[in-house]
Amino acid sequence: DTEVTQTPKHLVMGMTNKKSLKCEQHMGHRAMYWYKQKAKKPPELMFVYSYEKLSINESVPSRFSPECPNSSLLNLHLHALQPEDSALYLCASSQVGTVPNTIYFGEGSWLTVV
Amino acid sequence: QKEVEQNSGPLSVPEGAIASLNCTYSDRGSQSFFWYRQYSGKSPELIMSIYSNGDKEDGRFTAQLNKASQYVSLLIRDSQPSDSATYLCAVNTEGYSTLTFGKGTMLLVSP
Repeated sequence: DTEVTQTPKHLVMGMTNKKSLKCEQHMGHRAMYWYKQKAKKPPELMFVYSYEKLSINESVPSRFSPECPNSSLLNLHLHALQPEDSALYLCASSQVGTVPNTIYFGEGSWLTVV
Repeated sequence: QKEVEQNSGPLSVPEGAIASLNCTYSDRGSQSFFWYRQYSGKSPELIMSIYSNGDKEDGRFTAQLNKASQYVSLLIRDSQPSDSATYLCAVNTEGYSTLTFGKGTMLLVSP
């Protein structure tokens, strides 16, 4: 079983809604990630937090807003999304600076924008 | 541009055979290499990691790395129908372990 927990597992939202995806890890990792995955495509990196600070933003539209309240929690706030944003959103975590630095994924949140 | 290349497949093998999955990468500075298995509708699950040249074995799985040739492979011995999935090759290219993924190879193991 994964030690990266994501909620909700499934989310359906309208284009005017505001919702949030949540992620929690209990592995003592200090890096956390959001990835987006469309069908039959590999995961695409969206954001990286290292020591609770945003270190990488892969030019993600502002309708996606990440937040890292502490070293165990990661949120992704969603507002005014488009139908093309429907995808599997994956949270992940890892240590920082070790080799290999293995990234562990949560089970994902399936998002449908209607 | 850092690239990771995989054959998209499907790679079809009979049950009990050896499945060989291959991956090449473009960035010579890459440090760590990972194989993830992803079942349809599920999240990626780590199968193997490797960072030194040579072979690394874990049960029915063997990862092979050749940095000179910029090549990494995954061998699955005694393939089972439950191994049918998409296998993603991923390469660590940055200090914060951001991964560059290949497009994945679909493996089909027939009974």
